[in-house]
Amino acid sequence: GDSVTQKEGLVTLTEGLPVMLNCTYQTIYSNAFLFWYVHYLNESPRLLLKSSTDNKRTEHQGFHATLHKSSSSFHLQKSSAQLSDSALYYCALSDLPNTGKLTFGDGTVLTVKP
Amino acid sequence: EAAVTQSPRNKVTVTGGNVTLSCRQTNSHNYMYWYRQDTGHGLRLIHYSYGAGNLQIGDVPDGYKATRTTQEDFFLLLELASPSQTSLYFCASSERQGNTEVFFGKGTRLTVV
Repeated sequence: GDSVTQKEGLVTLTEGLPVMLNCTYQTIYSNAFLFWYVHYLNESPRLLLKSSTDNKRTEHQGFHATLHKSSSSFHLQKSSAQLSDSALYYCALSDLPNTGKLTFGDGTVLTVKP
Repeated sequence: EAAVTQSPRNKVTVTGGNVTLSCRQTNSHNYMYWYRQDTGHGLRLIHYSYGAGNLQIGDVPDGYKATRTTQEDFFLLLELASPSQTSLYFCASSERQGNTEVFFGKGTRLTVV
């Protein structure tokens, strides 16, 4: 079945340094959708980015990600971390054109320190 | 903006107890979902529904029942709660499935002692 791997469970950075959170996936469907969701403490998880287009950079709120189907990757990046970026980040895969059900990775906790 | 409201926000029950978690969405979304969130396991889908009276089994359904009574309301039932069901539960909704945003509630923290 489909799977999403986020190899870092915890990432700790100093403010101002670049952010890169890894996401790789496995699916038999060539046109799957990939998503990044962010979950701030005591709030609801919410969508940060999504993409289904190979090699196209997607940006939102200072974050960006590029779907690379050749390597089955969708890494989340930001040029300069801010204290307010501290949160739990989930990569997720939709198995369209099958059921469209989302499969989430285990999540990466990003902690940004002064 | 999509609104998904869960109740209660916190619940403590005893092993073997009966628990119902409630969820209401006010955006006329077709799809509703119940997830559980556990450290090291991410968000795992328990059950979902694409309309009133419909129920689909998710990835971790054992020990859970669900019922979609209206387009707005989706309930998760634990009839014999066990400590392994201690978790943070999220309800969510979406207009379609697969390529659209999923809107989450704020979660219900359930503790089974």
